[in-house]
Amino acid sequence: DTAVSQTPKYLVTQMGNDKSIKCEQNLGHDTMYWYKQDSKKFLKIMFSYNNKELIINETVPNRFSPKSPDKAHLNLHINSLELGDSAVYFCASSQRGGASGNYGYTFGSGTRLTVV
Amino acid sequence: KNEVEQSPQNLTAQEGEFITINCSYSVGISALHWLQQHPGGGIVSLFMLSSGKKKHGRLIATINIQEKHSSLHITASHPRDSAVYICAVGNTDKLIFGTGTRLQVFP
Repeated sequence: DTAVSQTPKYLVTQMGNDKSIKCEQNLGHDTMYWYKQDSKKFLKIMFSYNNKELIINETVPNRFSPKSPDKAHLNLHINSLELGDSAVYFCASSQRGGASGNYGYTFGSGTRLTVV
Repeated sequence: KNEVEQSPQNLTAQEGEFITINCSYSVGISALHWLQQHPGGGIVSLFMLSSGKKKHGRLIATINIQEKHSSLHITASHPRDSAVYICAVGNTDKLIFGTGTRLQVFP
């Protein structure tokens, strides 16, 4: 069974379209994330949700809207797609450990978004 | 300047060589993570450590909290170790990533 699953794996779309990426984890973790990996392979946090509550929103354009219907799901909706949104988007999950930090992270396999 | 710096950026080795990848960070951390990303793109967590040393098979990770430095060692390297190795630090509920080290091991 896949621990963190993202769909779709590949997404090619035209500028101006609206698209969604879905993420589900079956690990029982309470925290989920979206990370963006740019063309230089650099990873950066976009959003983090803990028990359906948004806890991190890192200067991401408001065309990006995460939605967490329950703690096992975190979807990413992107409006009015731009060329610069082309990247690989990774979902991840972890268990919040309080002051000792989060326990180990598990990543999805990534969604390669290409905007043409 | 990135909050997490890795060196070297690229590394080539012959099969069997001992490999070291270094990571330095400038922020407070709860834990440090070493991740592996193969050309296919998936990211796998190798280690999470907050002190000392951990070993898993041919991989060893060490951290020095006072010096804000960590190393990942691969003993008896193999072509299947070829991947990008990423250092990331846990900081206030998120990971901050280094730029990665691309390792190629040739037979």
